[in-house]
Amino acid sequence: GAGVSQTPSNKVTEKGKYVELRCDPISGHTALYWYRQSLGQGPEFLIYFQGTGAADDSGLPNDRFFAVRPEGSVSTLKIQRTERGDSAMYLCASSLDPNNEQFFGPGTRLTVL
Amino acid sequence: AQSVTQPDIHITVSEGASLELRCNYSYGATPYLFWYVQSPGQGLQLLLKYFSGDTLVQGIKGFEAEFKRSQSSFNLRKPSVHWSDAAEYFCAVVSKEETSYDKVIFGPGTSLSVIP
Repeated sequence: GAGVSQTPSNKVTEKGKYVELRCDPISGHTALYWYRQSLGQGPEFLIYFQGTGAADDSGLPNDRFFAVRPEGSVSTLKIQRTERGDSAMYLCASSLDPNNEQFFGPGTRLTVL
Repeated sequence: AQSVTQPDIHITVSEGASLELRCNYSYGATPYLFWYVQSPGQGLQLLLKYFSGDTLVQGIKGFEAEFKRSQSSFNLRKPSVHWSDAAEYFCAVVSKEETSYDKVIFGPGTSLSVIP
């Protein structure tokens, strides 16, 4: 079956602009996670959704970052007033339930000029 | 808080040689440990995991890892490396006691190069 997909695969934007990154989880997976991976580092947790609600958003770096999952499936990570330091690979993962293996998407590489 | 260290930033091995990637974790109770591989342009793929039981775990692509509680280590090994194994490898730990879900903490990664 289809795995986790993320669009776009690459996004180049200018400092100060707004961006949206989309994640399509595996069908039936109730848990969804966003991670950010800076160059040369491991992924860092941003936010976890169980169903439609953000159960843990402690990893979001500041209030410019926001994520939604309105119907409990697709999720969108939104970044306002982008800064050059936001440049990174943004990874999405989903799992059948919160205590099961997480399956990762290919990521969206965000570059802020 | 839990943490994961991978002492080797980059390793180069010859094709056919053996491989060992080091991983150390900091966690009080018995951790849930993972190794992931990330190839360029690809997502993270789970190689193997340790939850309990036999401390030597087998994974995909001929990889294995050994959990050593006394050393707080979970090193990844492969007896004979193939050129296609060139990738970034991440060790990760999950706390089953601090959160109600699997919050994965990743190490910084080890980049593996394979020379013919």
